[in-house]
Amino acid sequence: AQSVTQLDSQVPVFEEAPVELRCNYSSSVSVYLFWYVQYPNQGLQLLLKYLSGSTLVESINGFEAEFNKSQTSFHLRKPSVHISDTAEYFCAVRDNTDKLIFGTGTRLQVFP
Amino acid sequence: GAGVSQSPSNKVTEKGKDVELRCDPISGHTALYWYRQSLGQGLEFLIYFQGNSAPDKSGLPSDRFSAERTGGSVSTLTIQRTQQEDSAVYLCASSLEGTTWNTIYFGEGSWLTVV
Repeated sequence: AQSVTQLDSQVPVFEEAPVELRCNYSSSVSVYLFWYVQYPNQGLQLLLKYLSGSTLVESINGFEAEFNKSQTSFHLRKPSVHISDTAEYFCAVRDNTDKLIFGTGTRLQVFP
Repeated sequence: GAGVSQSPSNKVTEKGKDVELRCDPISGHTALYWYRQSLGQGLEFLIYFQGNSAPDKSGLPSDRFSAERTGGSVSTLTIQRTQQEDSAVYLCASSLEGTTWNTIYFGEGSWLTVV
């Protein structure tokens, strides 16, 4: 069965600092990977996804994630965070039955 | 709006009562999912509907939980004889069809509190 591990439950960071949110997955089949974001008091929104092709995928608000098959990772990065990036971030893998399997989430807290 | 709509947004119920949570998917979406989000537990898959296929119920935690989807559109998640551990946010999601490349869109959830 596929699973997703997000080792960091909370990541505190100062504004304009770089950040990396870690995600590792386990799968024996082709994987399709996603990052979702949940801003305070809002629903889940798709941030970015990897389906095939280039292993580096980007979002419109400056986040990027790199699919690394050998390390079974899909870490999320941003070179300079803003206060508005404060949210809960969920990594997910879509299994061969088309369900999304989520990690437990990482709370990113950006301080001024 | 054109997003996934869930009702009620908040529900407080007494232990032992039954509750129904409703989901209106995005028009034209044939795939519908229910997830549960508990504090510190992440998102837990509950059930998945795809068109006229038999639903994937593998995530339902007990026989007190059931869901149906009428006419391939609206879905209702029913929890019978609620327990305090059922307190969580219940999220509904939909996509064009249950294929890997179609984005899954989530509603804002129904907050259930069992007292």
